[in-house]
Amino acid sequence: SQQGEEDPQALSIQEGENATMNCSYKTSINNLQWYRQNSGRGLVHLILIRSNEREKHSGRLRVTLDTSKKSSSLLITASRAADTASYFCATDPAGGSYIPTFGRGTSLIVHP
Amino acid sequence: NAGVTQTPKFRVLKTGQSMTLLCAQDMNHEYMYWYRQDPGMGLRLIHYSVGEGTTAKGEVPDGYNVSRLKKQNFLLGLESAAPSQTSVYFCASSQQTQPQHFGDGTRLSIL
Repeated sequence: SQQGEEDPQALSIQEGENATMNCSYKTSINNLQWYRQNSGRGLVHLILIRSNEREKHSGRLRVTLDTSKKSSSLLITASRAADTASYFCATDPAGGSYIPTFGRGTSLIVHP
Repeated sequence: NAGVTQTPKFRVLKTGQSMTLLCAQDMNHEYMYWYRQDPGMGLRLIHYSVGEGTTAKGEVPDGYNVSRLKKQNFLLGLESAAPSQTSVYFCASSQQTQPQHFGDGTRLSIL
């Protein structure tokens, strides 16, 4: 079963707008990771946030984590057409398995 | 750096045929994984390995076998292919608790 579930499933915005994607999960985690997948390619890691962190930034990316609500959000600011891709969250469950579980992803389209 | 390399990139099989997908990584990672990706289903873990000579079942292992005889290679085998195994297969590698590095996938069609 999939631990993380992204919302929305699809998002369509104009270049320059911000894009926000959410991830909810069910059990306690060690960390949560966000990945990006361009069409026809493998996933590429974007950012990792540990369970004791609340917010993390990387360039135009901002990730938040709320362990009390078991949710995370990925914000892409000032989006570009090149940000068009699918975005996945992956949760590393607490308990020592170190085997992440991926959600179904959010498909983002940024119109020029 | 090559990273994670998957071969072949595309393959068409007939029902009942067998084949092996090869994954090679040059990052000295301990952990390796095989996933399948189907429309609307995201990534589902088939099998994984936490080190040379070890393998374990993931979420959807039925119909697949794996081997990790060398640290850098992780093989995924289909003994008797079925149309339900038509999918895109991704291999990934990582160190423990670190982000995964993915190959670009093998697109497999079974007729």
